Amino acid sequence: GEDVEQSLFLSVREGDSSVINCTYTDSSSTYLYWYKQEPGAGLQLLTYIFSNMDMKQDQRLTVLLNKKDKHLSLRIADTQTGDSAIYFCAESPGGYQKVTFGTGTKLQVIP
Amino acid sequence: EAQVTQNPRYLITVTGKKLTVTCSQNMNHEYMSWYRQDPGLGLRQIYYSMNVEVTDKGDVPEGYKVSRKEKRNFPLILESPSPNQTSLYFCASTSRDRFNTEAFFGQGTRLTVV
Repeated sequence: GEDVEQSLFLSVREGDSSVINCTYTDSSSTYLYWYKQEPGAGLQLLTYIFSNMDMKQDQRLTVLLNKKDKHLSLRIADTQTGDSAIYFCAESPGGYQKVTFGTGTKLQVIP
Repeated sequence: EAQVTQNPRYLITVTGKKLTVTCSQNMNHEYMSWYRQDPGLGLRQIYYSMNVEVTDKGDVPEGYKVSRKEKRNFPLILESPSPNQTSLYFCASTSRDRFNTEAFFGQGTRLTVV
């Protein structure tokens, strides 16, 4: 079945860049997502990328996709304490259809 | 305001006592699903529904039931809860629009079964 893997924890200093990595196994993945979960809250969509794209930039966020290696990364520039959260990578073959989530990466931003 | 509302937010119950967690969305979404979140395991899908009266098992359906009698509601039923169902539960809804595939999540229900 589909599998999405992430490292569990990342710690960075405020103002540095954060890079959160994700690998997935399903070659039919069409939609690849990054969701953010703040403490005590549900997940919120940060950004997504279609599998026919290599990169997507949205303000401080840059998503890179290496389809050959099935590797997705999320770069957060100028990381702030408000970015401290759990970040989930997710993939889906068809958008609203079954979405498979990774284990989540807890980002800790040190002031 | 677009919302997915779950109730209750917190629940402590005893083994074997039937319970229902409600989920309601106001976006007229066709697709709804239930997930459980456990440390180190991420989100795992329990059940999903493509539309009214259409439901199917996700990855971890054992011990759970769902129903979809109306488009806006998708309750999760635990007929005989056990301690291994202690978890954080999320309901989500998604449009079928292939260009608008964001999943909207509820605030979560933290369930403890003793």
